[in-house]
Amino acid sequence: LAKTTQPISMDSYEGQEVNITCSHNNIATNDYITWYQQFPSQGPRFIIQGYKTKVTNEVASLFIPADRKSSTLSLPRVSLSDTAVYYCLVAEANQAGTALIFGKGTTLSVSS
Amino acid sequence: DAGVTQSPTHLIKTRGQQVTLRCSPKSGHDTVSWYQQALGQGPQFIFQYYEEEERQRGNFPDRFSGHQFPNYSSELNVNALLLGDSALYLCASSRQVVAGLAGVWTDTQYFGPGTRLTVL
Repeated sequence: LAKTTQPISMDSYEGQEVNITCSHNNIATNDYITWYQQFPSQGPRFIIQGYKTKVTNEVASLFIPADRKSSTLSLPRVSLSDTAVYYCLVAEANQAGTALIFGKGTTLSVSS
Repeated sequence: DAGVTQSPTHLIKTRGQQVTLRCSPKSGHDTVSWYQQALGQGPQFIFQYYEEEERQRGNFPDRFSGHQFPNYSSELNVNALLLGDSALYLCASSRQVVAGLAGVWTDTQYFGPGTRLTVL
């Protein structure tokens, strides 16, 4: 199982860019990196997913270096509504199925 | 296009009882995974169903069982409830992707809103 390590918490102010870094030293060749956002008492919401280099969508960017042992989720110009728990996952994918292994995530607090 | 739906939203049971939770996957998805999330923790994988069979299972006792129907919807059953089973139960749906010689892989999982189970 590829484990991930990310900061327990981060604080930011509205309008700032937030970068959350995750380390996954034991990532396997077939594994890909996925980030989810979760608000209290709601299901996790898919943010972004990537295998290598850079991926960007309308919500965030994901930077993955060549060795793939870490990744960085970048949230541009955060707002109060971005206050949530962010999970970095390395999906353990095989032909028997894919189990998402969640850690405790990073609690992001955005203040005005 | 409806996303993943779960029912009921909340449920209160007493120790020793049995409970059934339901999940309807997102349109076009054929795979359902179940997760348990205790307060303050990340979700824990219970099992995954595809083609009406359990494909992969996490570290949960046999009291936890499931089923997938021909329309891809799924049920999670928990027998002999314990206080420690109180949690948010999440269903995630996805689709299987044929990746040529690499076989069949599970695509991105999308979560439902969850069912809050309280065991008294």
